[in-house]
Amino acid sequence: AQSVSQHNHHVILSEAASLELGCNYSYGGTVNLFWYVQYPGQHLQLLLKYFSGDPLVKGIKGFEAEFIKSKFSFNLRKPSVQWSDTAEYFCAVNLYNNNDMRFGAGTRLTVKP
Amino acid sequence: ETGVTQSPTHLIKTRGQQVTLRCSSQSGHNTVSWYQQALGQGPQFIFQYYREEENGRGNFPPRFSGLQFPNYSSELNVNALELDDSALYLCASSSSTGSSYNEQFFGPGTRLTVL
Repeated sequence: AQSVSQHNHHVILSEAASLELGCNYSYGGTVNLFWYVQYPGQHLQLLLKYFSGDPLVKGIKGFEAEFIKSKFSFNLRKPSVQWSDTAEYFCAVNLYNNNDMRFGAGTRLTVKP
Repeated sequence: ETGVTQSPTHLIKTRGQQVTLRCSSQSGHNTVSWYQQALGQGPQFIFQYYREEENGRGNFPPRFSGLQFPNYSSELNVNALELDDSALYLCASSSSTGSSYNEQFFGPGTRLTVL
C-alpha cells in the first residue's frame, strides 16, 4: 500500500540554523508531492507542491523541496529558520489522477529564539 | 473570499450513536475532501465529493458516508460510532475538474470525542 514516512517526529533548532525534514514514499508510479504546514492554532496550509518539471521546488517563506525519484524522497529544506517557523509539517503524496491523498505522520519543528 | 468553515467545533458522543459534521467550501470551489486526523498522526483520506457525487474513497468502512449539496457544501455522517472514531475531522475544498492535484484549502476541523 502507498505510504508516506517522515523520519523525524520532533526537531528542535535555534534561529538561523538550517533545516532539512525527510519524507519518503512507497509508490513507483507517477506521483504528485506536497508539503503542508500547520502553525499553532491555524489551519493546514500548502507550503509547496511538485507535479512535474524541475525537481527543485520553491515554496512560500523561503522553503524549498527536492524531488529525488530514485530515492522516492521529497525532503523539505530551509537555509535559515526563524522562530515563526515553529509549526507542524506534513508531507503528502497522491497518485497522479487519483483522489486519495496520503499524509505522513508529521514533524513538529520547534525553533528557539 | 470566505475560507472553508466547519461545524461544530467540538462534539462529544457515545458509542453506537450517529454524528453529522458539516463543511462549507471556499467560494468558487466545487470539490470537498474529508480527512480523519487521529492524535499524533497525519490526516487520513476518507472520501472526496465532486459535483454532488463521491469521487474517490479511502480505506474507511461504509458507516462513514457523505453528501455534497448543490452549493458544494458537504456533510460527513458516521454511524455506529466507535471509540477509535475519536479524532479531528478535516474538510478541504478545491476547484477541480474531478482530479485531486489542485491545491486543497483546509478548514479548522471538528474535534469528535466518542465516550
